[in-house]
Amino acid sequence: DIQMTQSPSSLSASVGDRVTITCQASQDIDKYLNWFQQKPGTAPKLLIYAASSLATGVPSRFSGGGSGTDFTFTISSLQPEDIATYYCQQYDNLFLTFGGGTKVEIK
Amino acid sequence: EVRLVQSGGEVKKPGESLKISCKGSGYSFNSYWIGWVRQMPGKGLEWMGLIYPGDSDTRYRPSFQGQVIISADKSITTAYLQWSSLKASDTAMYYCVRQGSEYWGQGTLVTVSS
Repeated sequence: DIQMTQSPSSLSASVGDRVTITCQASQDIDKYLNWFQQKPGTAPKLLIYAASSLATGVPSRFSGGGSGTDFTFTISSLQPEDIATYYCQQYDNLFLTFGGGTKVEIK
Repeated sequence: EVRLVQSGGEVKKPGESLKISCKGSGYSFNSYWIGWVRQMPGKGLEWMGLIYPGDSDTRYRPSFQGQVIISADKSITTAYLQWSSLKASDTAMYYCVRQGSEYWGQGTLVTVSS
């Protein structure tokens, strides 16, 4: 398996803050990386694909970057509705793997 | 509209068998891999394996090989996840997801308790 190391595991920020999450792959995955948002009791929602492309209907305050082994996910201005857990996922091969998740809370 | 609709929640006893389903609609079911993801209570997402309904090519993450069976019936555009002998540690929410990860089922909660 390709291992995905995501950090931090949790964070607390104020409304309007810029929030950044990182994800590191154990080997080169080019740009084969997704970011998901999961709210309690619901299925994950795809926000970013191919490391930096915004999925349909996703607000522009969400963005992603990176390639190879190091990736970032940013919320430019945190909103109350962004409270959720965020996951990265690599899809370099059929054996997909997820990061451990980052729980985002409002300070 | 692409939809993945999963079967309802289940409560089972250890040692019992179970088969849950995921029905796809709104796209060419045979042409996209369908995967299964486990989420244990309060934990993260784990990729279990996937199947290509067109030819039933199936791949398992090593930790799930031999523990579950993934199958599909393309005549009714449905994928399945099954256990022959459930354990308490199989208690989790299970999601199906289409290749590309944009489309997910709503999840099936499996509870195994004596």
